[in-house]
Amino acid sequence: AQRVTQPEKLLSVFKGAPVELKCNYSYSGSPELFWYVQYSRQRLQLLLRHISRESIKGFTADLNKGETSFHLKKPFAQEEDSAMYYCALSGRDDYKLSFGAGTTVTVRA
Amino acid sequence: GVTQSPTHLIKTRGQQVTLRCSSQSGHNTVSWYQQALGQGPQFIFQYYREEENGRGNFPPRFSGLQFPNDSSELNVNALELDDSALYLCASSLGSGGSYEQYFGPGTRLTVT
Repeated sequence: AQRVTQPEKLLSVFKGAPVELKCNYSYSGSPELFWYVQYSRQRLQLLLRHISRESIKGFTADLNKGETSFHLKKPFAQEEDSAMYYCALSGRDDYKLSFGAGTTVTVRA
Repeated sequence: GVTQSPTHLIKTRGQQVTLRCSSQSGHNTVSWYQQALGQGPQFIFQYYREEENGRGNFPPRFSGLQFPNDSSELNVNALELDDSALYLCASSLGSGGSYEQYFGPGTRLTVT
């Protein structure tokens, strides 16, 4: 069975401070990991995926297969980063995308 | 982009409901998700070229259709109180969860 766990429901940081959102997963095959984001009054959208290995809006995420984690990090949080963030998992040949429960990030001035 | 109708819906337990989705042009796959309050989206099923090609842990009273004109439907029979949720559809360029999902704004269903 595949499972995604985001242990933090809420995360509050000051502007300019580092932010890290935790994501742990369980999956028996070869996982593909994603972070989706939902800004206020907008729809859910892809932020980044581990296979692209790129930084989006200053965010990076590294897949650690040993620790089965895919934490999202940004060294200097901005107010526009305030949003709901969902970690999601699929398999290379899997039709299903499984989401975690989400973490609400608030960046304070 | 992806559109969904209606925005909100109120139904009574035992009734049936049809939710509609219009996929992004050129996308051949649509997936439906149920999002309960405070939870992440839960995968219901996926349709690829008008056939169901995968289903999550939802009973058969949840069914769907995908049409050649980029539109699709989610049907729920014998509504239960626990079916109250936000229903999201997402289209993608290919079947499989690894393709980027383009989400609609959702339909809020309330079952009383």
